[in-house]
Amino acid sequence: AQSVTQLDSQVPVFEEAPVELRCNYSSSVSVYLFWYVQYPNQGLQLLLKYLSGSTLVKGINGFEAEFNKSQTSFHLRKPSVHISDTAEYFCAVRAYNDMRFGAGTRLTVKP
Amino acid sequence: GAGVSQTPSNKVTEKGKYVELRCDPISGHTALYWYRQSLGQGPEFLIYFQGTGAADDSGLPNDRFFAVRPEGSVSTLKIQRTERGDSAVYLCASSLADREEQYFGPGTRLTVT
Repeated sequence: AQSVTQLDSQVPVFEEAPVELRCNYSSSVSVYLFWYVQYPNQGLQLLLKYLSGSTLVKGINGFEAEFNKSQTSFHLRKPSVHISDTAEYFCAVRAYNDMRFGAGTRLTVKP
Repeated sequence: GAGVSQTPSNKVTEKGKYVELRCDPISGHTALYWYRQSLGQGPEFLIYFQGTGAADDSGLPNDRFFAVRPEGSVSTLKIQRTERGDSAVYLCASSLADREEQYFGPGTRLTVT
């Protein structure tokens, strides 16, 4: 079965600074990759997904991620964060109908 | 349009009691998923329905957990003889077909005292 490791449990950053949230995965089969965001007391919202094609994927709210097959990584980036980006971010990998999530990274944007 | 809804939003129950958690998927979505999210963890897969049948229930932790989707729309997750370790947020998601993007509901926070 596939698995996901989010390398940072918490990432504090100042407003307008760039940020990278790291995600590594392992799988013996081809997978689809996702990043979800969870705001307090809300459900998961899809930020972006990699299914095939270009390895650089752009999502909502100015986020992007790059699929690196050789390093089995799918890091999430944003060039300039806002206070409103404060949330929990989850990386997920799916093979067939089996979706596995990482433990999450808490992004805190400070003024 | 309406998203995935879950009721109740919060449920507090005593150890040993029976609970039912409801999920109303997006209209027309044939695939439905249940996940459990413990504090500080990512969602953990429980069960997946394609239509009325449970296509994959390998994530259910034990036989106290059961889920149904009798008409291929609304689903109910049932937990018998609840234990304090069952306390978590239970998330439901639906998708137009299997392998398509999953849309998540807000979750039901279950607390077993």
